[in-house]
Amino acid sequence: DVKVTQSSRYLVKRTGEKVFLECVQDMDHENMFWYRQDPGLGLRLIYFSYDVKMKEKGDIPEGYSVSREKKERFSLILESASTNQTSMYLCASSLGTSASYEQYFGPGTRLTVT
Amino acid sequence: GENVEQHPSTLSVQEGDSAVIKCTYSDSASNYFPWYKQELGKRPQLIIDIRSNVGEKKDQRIAVTLNKTAKHFSLHITETQPEDSAVYFCAAQPRGSSASKIIFGSGTRLSIRP
Repeated sequence: DVKVTQSSRYLVKRTGEKVFLECVQDMDHENMFWYRQDPGLGLRLIYFSYDVKMKEKGDIPEGYSVSREKKERFSLILESASTNQTSMYLCASSLGTSASYEQYFGPGTRLTVT
Repeated sequence: GENVEQHPSTLSVQEGDSAVIKCTYSDSASNYFPWYKQELGKRPQLIIDIRSNVGEKKDQRIAVTLNKTAKHFSLHITETQPEDSAVYFCAAQPRGSSASKIIFGSGTRLSIRP
């Protein structure tokens, strides 16, 4: 069974703070993704990574950065948190070959920025 | 880039009736179309997917159809049950996308009335 875990289920931070969200997968997946989920907007891709130290911007990368130093771990960084970054953040991983494109999601981190 | 539109945003059906959710995509080269289900408070999970060389796929009470010419695909749930209540997301994977990233629709909240 694929397991994707995220460091926190709930997080409350103040405006201007640096925030780290961590994601770990245990299935040796090549690809990892960070999404934010907001009502009525679906799942929007922030950043993704297809290999260690490799990353690409998704659709809404502004205000975020990522780090992938090890294959199993993908971190999302909010350099200076703002109230419009209050959201549910979901991490996912996938094997990403023609055998399986399925993305496995973590439980999510609900971040509130005050 | 790829854009996925999903309708309706909310859907309420009587238990035992059928439910249909429709999506359109913009990139004619997209070749993989998954559907994810997210129950309240839980993570999204893949329920069915279809590739561009197939027109229809069934798995028990759920089916997905793909019309490549019209660039739309649909999820059909028959004999709906209370456990079908959830948010459903369609998605499309552009051909050649790195890391097999997918673009999600905005979601449909399906409610099953007893």
